[in-house]
Amino acid sequence: GDSVTQMEGPVTLSEEAFLTINCTYTATGYPSLFWYVQYPGEGLQLLLKATKADDKGSNKGFEATYRKETTSFHLEKGSVQVSDSAVYFCALPFSGTYKYIFGTGTRLKVLA
Amino acid sequence: DAMVIQNPRYQVTQFGKPVTLSCSQTLNHNVMYWYQQKSSQAPKLLFHYYDKDFNNEADTPDNFQSRRPNTSFCFLDIRSPGLGDTAMYLCATSRVGTGELFFGEGSRLTVL
Repeated sequence: GDSVTQMEGPVTLSEEAFLTINCTYTATGYPSLFWYVQYPGEGLQLLLKATKADDKGSNKGFEATYRKETTSFHLEKGSVQVSDSAVYFCALPFSGTYKYIFGTGTRLKVLA
Repeated sequence: DAMVIQNPRYQVTQFGKPVTLSCSQTLNHNVMYWYQQKSSQAPKLLFHYYDKDFNNEADTPDNFQSRRPNTSFCFLDIRSPGLGDTAMYLCATSRVGTGELFFGEGSRLTVL
């Protein structure tokens, strides 16, 4: 069945370091793929999305490319800031339903 | 402007004392969701509505009920909260076909 596997956290980086958070999926067909971010004490916000293979989603310096060959949607940022400290969730719609599957979340902590 | 509004943001209740959480949306989306999120975990879907059609997850406790009186509002009722129901409750909406979830800020429930 459809699933999302996300890199375990926490990830601790120094400011301006390069970030990669891995996400792989199994799905029927080629669903849209999403990254959501959750800041402390808040709900989730859409960070970026990609709707078809080879699409690159980008927002706030974050990028992720929809790779159907490797069934991956890894999140990257070239230079993280303290304000990027949050939990990041990879997600995709569950085929044939209105439901969404979330990864387990990766907590990122950026140190000044 | 907030598009998915949850009230209250924080609620403390006694063991067994019923509680109601509310969610309103200004997006006119036809799908609304309730998620439960415990500390350091991914959101867990409790139920969702497509318009008035109610869909309950198989593992949602009977203790949890929901109402959607109109497109804009949705309620989560917990009839007899237990200590294990302490969590963040997230409301989300989506429009069929766009694939994006819009979340509220969440209602943090503590059961004493």
